[in-house]
Amino acid sequence: EPEVTQTPSHQVTQMGQEVILRCVPISNHLYFYWYRQILGQKVEFLVSFYNNEISEKSEIFDDQFSVERPDGSNFTLKIRSTKLEDSAMYFCASSEAPYPGTGELFFGEGSRLTVL
Amino acid sequence: GENVEQHPSTLSVQEGDSAVIKCTYSDSASNYFPWYKQELGKGPQLIIDIRSNVGEKKDQRIAVTLNKTAKHFSLHITETQPEDSAVYFCAASAPYSGAGSYQLTFGKGTKLSVIP
Repeated sequence: EPEVTQTPSHQVTQMGQEVILRCVPISNHLYFYWYRQILGQKVEFLVSFYNNEISEKSEIFDDQFSVERPDGSNFTLKIRSTKLEDSAMYFCASSEAPYPGTGELFFGEGSRLTVL
Repeated sequence: GENVEQHPSTLSVQEGDSAVIKCTYSDSASNYFPWYKQELGKGPQLIIDIRSNVGEKKDQRIAVTLNKTAKHFSLHITETQPEDSAVYFCAASAPYSGAGSYQLTFGKGTKLSVIP
């Protein structure tokens, strides 16, 4: 079964450092997402990406965050200068279609980011 | 924006018993309600979903009911098995806005433990 893969599974970084989280979406999917889950809290939408540009972003996704699809397979989330409150599990997801209920969201296993 | 509340946060049942998890949502425009199961160390996986033009949907031991008037929806698992033990998330999505994506608003999750 096709799956979304994420690396690294866990990253520990110092506050102020840059972090890049990588994702390989399912190969025929065109719509890509990042969600995050702070420990014990809800899974929250960060950003969606289609046709090499951001479709929508939440208020969490400020100037410290950026996304990129540098080649035909990878989809990355960069945090420029990490803060303690960026510590969370970051989930990448992809879908075949943008329509709720027709394009199922497939999630990766997550990348746990710990900022010290 | 949408707000989804989920109860209970933890649920323990004996193997063979039923489990019910309930969610409420705030945005009456939401029309797609998926349920995700997250096993330890894995990303959320869609197990069942329902659209607002349907009141109930069943898939083997899993069923979801939706009450649009009251803005709540529930997950029912019958004849629970130890492998049903996981965290379950409800979510809601508004109709496709044409922005080139859709976003899910998640509940906080329910940790279900099925005791053999």
